Amino acid sequence: SAVISQKPSRDICQRGTSLTIQCQVDSQVTMMFWYRQQPGQSLTLIATANQGSEATYESGFVIDKFPISRPNLTFSTLTVSNMSPEDSSIYLCSVEGVWGRAEAFFGQGTRLTVV
Amino acid sequence: GIQVEQSPPDLILQEGANSTLRCNFSDSVNNLQWFHQNPWGQLINLFYIPSGTKQNGRLSATTVATERYSLLYISSSQTTDSGVYFCAVGGSQGNLIFGKGTKLSVKP
Repeated sequence: SAVISQKPSRDICQRGTSLTIQCQVDSQVTMMFWYRQQPGQSLTLIATANQGSEATYESGFVIDKFPISRPNLTFSTLTVSNMSPEDSSIYLCSVEGVWGRAEAFFGQGTRLTVV
Repeated sequence: GIQVEQSPPDLILQEGANSTLRCNFSDSVNNLQWFHQNPWGQLINLFYIPSGTKQNGRLSATTVATERYSLLYISSSQTTDSGVYFCAVGGSQGNLIFGKGTKLSVKP
C-alpha cells in the first residue's frame, strides 16, 4: 500500500538547537510540500520542495530558518534551525497526485516541543 | 489569495447523531478535499471532491462549485469520529490552502 514515512514522530528539543525531519515516499513524486500546524491552528504551507532546484518558500518562512533538502524524487528533509518555543508545532510533509490518485497524502507528522 | 471558511468551529454530538459541516471558498477551484485529523495529529484524506457528490460509508460530501461551497455529512456518528475536520482547496503552487477546521466531539 502507499506509504509516506515521516521521522521523528515527536521530539522535545532545547532552544537554540536544530532538528531535521525526514520524509520518505514509496513512489517518485515531483513536488513535496512541508506544512506547519501551530497548537490549535490550521495548517500553513512552509515551502514546496522541488527535486533539482531550491525550495520555494511562502511569505514569512525563510531558508535560513527552515532549510530543505530534496536529493531525489522520493525523499526530503526539513530542518528547523535555532529553535525557540514559538517553533513548537506539528510539522507535516505531503504529496499529491501519486499512486494514480488526485488527492493529497500526509506523513504522520512530527510533533515538536521546544523547551 | 483564496479564502476558505469552515463552520461551525466547534460541534458536540451525542453518539448516533447526524451532522453537517460546511466549507465556503472565495474563488473557483478545481481541487477541494476534506480531511480528518485524529487526536494523534494524523491527517486522513476523506474525499477529493471538486464538484458533485461522493459517499463513503457513513460519510458523504457534496460540492456545489458554482456556489462556492462544500458540505460534509456525518451520519450515525461514533466516538471515533471525534477530531478536527479540515476543508482544503488547491493553491497556485499545487499546494493546499486549509480552512481553520471544525472540531468535532462525539460523546458516548
